[in-house]
Amino acid sequence: DVKVTQSSRYLVKRTGEKVFLECVQDMDHENMFWYRQDPGLGLRLIYFSYDVKMKEKGDIPEGYSVSREKKERFSLILESASTNQTSMYLCASSGGTVGTEAFFGQGTRLTVV
Amino acid sequence: GQNIDQPTEMTATEGAIVQINCTYQTSGFNGLFWYQQHAGEAPTFLSYNVLDGLEEKGRFSSFLSRSKGYSYLLLKELQMKDSASYLCAVSLRSNDYKLSFGAGTTVTVRA
Repeated sequence: DVKVTQSSRYLVKRTGEKVFLECVQDMDHENMFWYRQDPGLGLRLIYFSYDVKMKEKGDIPEGYSVSREKKERFSLILESASTNQTSMYLCASSGGTVGTEAFFGQGTRLTVV
Repeated sequence: GQNIDQPTEMTATEGAIVQINCTYQTSGFNGLFWYQQHAGEAPTFLSYNVLDGLEEKGRFSSFLSRSKGYSYLLLKELQMKDSASYLCAVSLRSNDYKLSFGAGTTVTVRA
């Protein structure tokens, strides 16, 4: 069974903290994505990576950075967490052919207080 | 920016049919995905349309009209387990794996 695993289901962090969200996939996929999901706004792409050490900004990259040192792992970093980054964060991966489905992790619900 | 519109909520009765519409105005278009997301769970893939027409997969069908910027997801013989959010997503370019999502349609199936 294919799997995208996010390190935490729930996180509570303080304003100003540096936050790491980890995602691991076991499908040898080239592409990995970080989205945030907010009510009424749907999924919005933060960053994606199409290869190790390669990254590209999505629609809302401000306040975030990413790291992909190994093919199976894609990390999202909140350099200095703020309350407006309270959200559900979803990681996804997909293979190297356009039109193939993306597989999503279970999500991390982050609350910044 | 990309504009992908779908209704916020729909309610239907068990055994009935529901059609979820999605219209899009985007800077490019390669194909359209539908995903299902149960509350508290990850989205899961339902369908992908790149050519005009209807694609049928069991109780679920998806339709695309590229010229009209329009798609729908048809759910037949509704079951209680079909209560979920349905996400429409557009792939913008043929060499790009990024997706732009609509806000999702929450479908509630009543007995």
